[in-house]
Amino acid sequence: DAGITQSPRHKVTETGTPVTLRCHQTENHRYMYWYRQDPGHGLRLIHYSYGVKDTDKGEVSDGYSVSRSKTEDFLLTLESATSSQTSVYFCAIRGTLATEAFFGQGTRLTVV
Amino acid sequence: DAKTTQPNSMESNEEEPVHLPCNHSTISGTDYIHWYRQLPSQGPEYVIHGLTSNVNNRMASLAIAEDRKSSTLILHRATLRDAAVYYCILRDEGNNDMRFGAGTRLTVKP
Repeated sequence: DAGITQSPRHKVTETGTPVTLRCHQTENHRYMYWYRQDPGHGLRLIHYSYGVKDTDKGEVSDGYSVSRSKTEDFLLTLESATSSQTSVYFCAIRGTLATEAFFGQGTRLTVV
Repeated sequence: DAKTTQPNSMESNEEEPVHLPCNHSTISGTDYIHWYRQLPSQGPEYVIHGLTSNVNNRMASLAIAEDRKSSTLILHRATLRDAAVYYCILRDEGNNDMRFGAGTRLTVKP
């Protein structure tokens, strides 16, 4: 199995509070991605990174920020969580020349 | 970016072949066709990919139309464990992002 872990796996938070989700890899892969998954929408790309300190926006980036200060960690931050950000969040990694991406097990976030 | 179109859902009987279609009429010459699947309560997993020629691996086969405007993922003998959402995406190795659509939900009946 690819070395990718997400933490926490489950979180309940209150509206307006900041939340940070962590994606950690042990594969030294260059590319890392954050997605959210909601019923009826499939996977939607939030942000992605193509190297340390190199990030870019995806399809649904409003309300989210990311940081990648080292190769192995990609953090997703909700500065002020809203109920619309209740979702399952997936992280993915892939290498520079690899065509196969590996996904984490997901983080279920509930904003109440 | 080139887009893909898949049926929302399909059904199959156990131990029968399944053909999952994907249309990508605006595909460019450098786009690879990738398939992933997502089992219930899990993250997506890679299935297969190809550029122009048909491809086979232990999980499935990928048949690519000669004009590359469509492709078909073939599961030769569906099992109950193949029930999942199947995603067809296009990847240009020069692009960094990786976007998925809603996929096809495959139901396998015993």
